[in-house]
Amino acid sequence: GDSVTQMEGPVTLSEEAFLTINCTYTATGYPSLFWYVQYPGEGLQLLLKATKADDKGSNKGFEATYRKETTSFHLEKGSVQVSDSAVYFCALSDFYKLSFGAGTTVTVRA
Amino acid sequence: KAGVTQTPRYLIKTRGQQVTLSCSPISGHRSVSWYQQTPGQGLQFLFEYFSETQRNKGNFPGRFSGRQFSNSRSEMNVSTLELGDSALYLCASSLGTGENTEAFFGQGTRLTVV
Repeated sequence: GDSVTQMEGPVTLSEEAFLTINCTYTATGYPSLFWYVQYPGEGLQLLLKATKADDKGSNKGFEATYRKETTSFHLEKGSVQVSDSAVYFCALSDFYKLSFGAGTTVTVRA
Repeated sequence: KAGVTQTPRYLIKTRGQQVTLSCSPISGHRSVSWYQQTPGQGLQFLFEYFSETQRNKGNFPGRFSGRQFSNSRSEMNVSTLELGDSALYLCASSLGTGENTEAFFGQGTRLTVV
């Protein structure tokens, strides 16, 4: 079935550093792709999404581009803040369900 | 607009008991999905309901069941609880029409089985 492979952390960065989290997927069709973020003690929040090849999703300085040729959806942010410390999940939608990667814990130090 | 509400937030149960978790979706959303989150297995899909019909189901034993009511509220039930059922159970709601509708998650119910 469809699946997502995501770079596992933990990742520790200094404030204003560049962040990239790799995500690749396996799918028989053309799924929509998502990045979700989870803060401690909270549920998941949608960070950004892309619904077709070459779409770029962006939100709060984060970006990810749907690359069909490399089956990837890498998350990037040019200058992270302490408030970006969280767990990030890559996901794809398939037949009314989301399939998630393992999650990447990101810690940003001041 | 109120978000997805899950009750209760925390629950402690004994092995062998059963438990029912509740989820109220965002107003107007007809799809409700349930996920189990554990440190070892990550986020795993349990089932999805749309207009009271289950459209998809994950690979969980029959002890896990769910239902959806006419007002789109959903419940999931776990019978004969095992220690391994300890997890954060997340509910998500969406419009449910088409593959690319956004899913909005509740804060989850933390179930501890002792």
